[in-house]
Amino acid sequence: DAGITQSPRHKVTETGTPVTLRCHQTENHRYMYWYRQDPGHGLRLIHYSYGVKDTDKGEVSDGYSVSRSKTEDFLLTLESATSSQTSVYFCATKRATYEQYFGPGTRLTVT
Amino acid sequence: AQKVTQAQTEISVVEKEDVTLDCVYETRDTTYYLFWYKQPPSGELVFLIRRNSFDEQNEISGRYSWNFQKSTSSFNFTITASQVVDSAVYFCALSDGSSNTGKLIFGQGTTLQVKP
Repeated sequence: DAGITQSPRHKVTETGTPVTLRCHQTENHRYMYWYRQDPGHGLRLIHYSYGVKDTDKGEVSDGYSVSRSKTEDFLLTLESATSSQTSVYFCATKRATYEQYFGPGTRLTVT
Repeated sequence: AQKVTQAQTEISVVEKEDVTLDCVYETRDTTYYLFWYKQPPSGELVFLIRRNSFDEQNEISGRYSWNFQKSTSSFNFTITASQVVDSAVYFCALSDGSSNTGKLIFGQGTTLQVKP
């Protein structure tokens, strides 16, 4: 358990509204990640961070932005939510031994 | 490009049967890492194992065992004497070892149902 929390755990929002998901870790890990999970696709990387204010895109980054102002917090923002962004979002951190540990997930529904 | 394929979408077994979950990967990297994760019905992702590309030794942990074969680019997972609590979605994942980014490429997952 890498001490990762995500908030909110569930959210329903309307198309076109901005949404921010928060990931908080207590392990002081340098690397943090945001993934989305959809049926038939497994998990896909949205964005990741390799340090404070250092971020990069993943496989499915369109429509998402991220920010990391502190080591412990990694925010994922949907600037204008669309129905295709209905998904379960997982945050993760990486240990020095390479394995990633995941937060409990956020279920987002865009209506 | 890296890719992970879990060809078995769903597997159903009866308790105490042995079951093998297949994982085939593609990568051009010489250094890489392979992982298995378990996602029980409660939804969290649980890390099971990491294997380095330069270590082909198979591993056993209780009823779980993993067979890593570079020659066939496979990293299969066997559960011996399955139990109902093994019912979950299992994901195989790949990470390159050269860039240190740790980005994971996941397979589509295999849903295992163990019936009593």
